Amino acid sequence: SQKIEQNSEALNIQEGKTATLTCNYTNYSPAYLQWYRQDPGRGPVFLLLIRENEKEKRKERLKVTFDTTLKQSLFHITASQPADSATYLCAPNVGNTDKLIFGTGTRLQVFP
Amino acid sequence: NAGVTQTPKFQVLKTGQSMTLQCAQDMNHNSMYWYRQDPGMGLRLIYYSASEGTTDKGEVPNGYNVSRLNKREFSLRLESAAPSQTSVYFCASTRDRGRGTGELFFGEGSRLTVL
Repeated sequence: SQKIEQNSEALNIQEGKTATLTCNYTNYSPAYLQWYRQDPGRGPVFLLLIRENEKEKRKERLKVTFDTTLKQSLFHITASQPADSATYLCAPNVGNTDKLIFGTGTRLQVFP
Repeated sequence: NAGVTQTPKFQVLKTGQSMTLQCAQDMNHNSMYWYRQDPGMGLRLIYYSASEGTTDKGEVPNGYNVSRLNKREFSLRLESAAPSQTSVYFCASTRDRGRGTGELFFGEGSRLTVL
């Protein structure tokens, strides 16, 4: 069955460093993959989308890579700030549909 | 713009009671979705509606029914609540299929506890 894996352990990093979060998927080939941010008690908020024919996508301090051979996406936040502390969700789509499968998310904590 | 609005934000039910979660979006989106989020499980799709008048089952539809009342509103009904339905429920919408990016716009969630 289709499976999405994100590191369930929290990632703790110091302010100013680069945070790197990993999303691995198995048993299927998504056409695109999305990343969302979720703060406690709030709904997820869309951050970035990367398509299968794109190796990298950037938006301000955010960078996403998509390696279809490794079946992996990496999400980077450069010059991290305490305000970046949140849970980050990975969501590849299913086949040729707009349906998404969400990972369980990785909690990022940036400390001063 | 309000975006996606869900009501109620919190609800406590007894086993066997029924209730309806309401969702409305003001972005003129065609597609709407209901997800549930449980610890360690991630967001799971319950039902979705690709357009007004159509609904389809998602990954975990058992115990739920939905109604796409019009383009703006998509409701989720629990006919006979069970403790296993204790969860946080999110409604979401997206732009037209095939033309948009597929990004989802989420509501703030409805926290349901079934005793």
